[in-house]
Amino acid sequence: DTEVTQTPKHLVMGMTNKKSLKCEQHMGHRAMYWYKQKAKKPPELMFVYSYEKLSINESVPSRFSPECPNSSLLNLHLHALQPEDSALYLCASSQTPTGPLGEQYFGPGTRLTVT
Amino acid sequence: AQKITQTQPGMFVQEKEAVTLDCTYDTSDPSYGLFWYKQPSSGEMIFLIYQGSYDQQNATEGRYSLNFQKARKSANLVISASQLGDSAMYFCAMREKTGANSKLTFGKGITLSVRP
Repeated sequence: DTEVTQTPKHLVMGMTNKKSLKCEQHMGHRAMYWYKQKAKKPPELMFVYSYEKLSINESVPSRFSPECPNSSLLNLHLHALQPEDSALYLCASSQTPTGPLGEQYFGPGTRLTVT
Repeated sequence: AQKITQTQPGMFVQEKEAVTLDCTYDTSDPSYGLFWYKQPSSGEMIFLIYQGSYDQQNATEGRYSLNFQKARKSANLVISASQLGDSAMYFCAMREKTGANSKLTFGKGITLSVRP
């Protein structure tokens, strides 16, 4: 089973709202990732969790707050977003965070619209 | 300098024919992995195939094969017997063994359209 699940599939939120995106995997992977993707562009890495610890933050604004409650779950808390934050948010996981081997498996994404 | 280069404009292929999607990469690391992902309009990034820098043979997965030319630093994806469901955006990506956390670097992607 190579499934990564994400909820919700679609999310519309106002600039003053607080919402959360959820990601789950049961493959025993120890690295989990958040990406942001604009239409017709490649995914941009936002955060990497390695063994449930935040290991990479790609200078993401603080209105995005990641959380890894356990090895299977990854959340992205959203607060005071801007319309330019509207995008597809992809979660991914891989067996280990180090080394060139091992593919990343992606979830179906959450399409976020900020109004 | 770009690490992954995909320069083809939108590609078109007739159903049941083969198509090659180009990818060149740039790295000084001797150990790296190359990946191809498919992204249909639904949005999910689907892993297709992987090639390690030390692999002696070209990777194959069903109708997908990777034409790995290490000296030329190219990793082209070949899709045989194209199907309508192959219409999607395709991303080439590389992961280098640099530091404790090696990132996946994506190319800009190529849009493939399969004609019936």
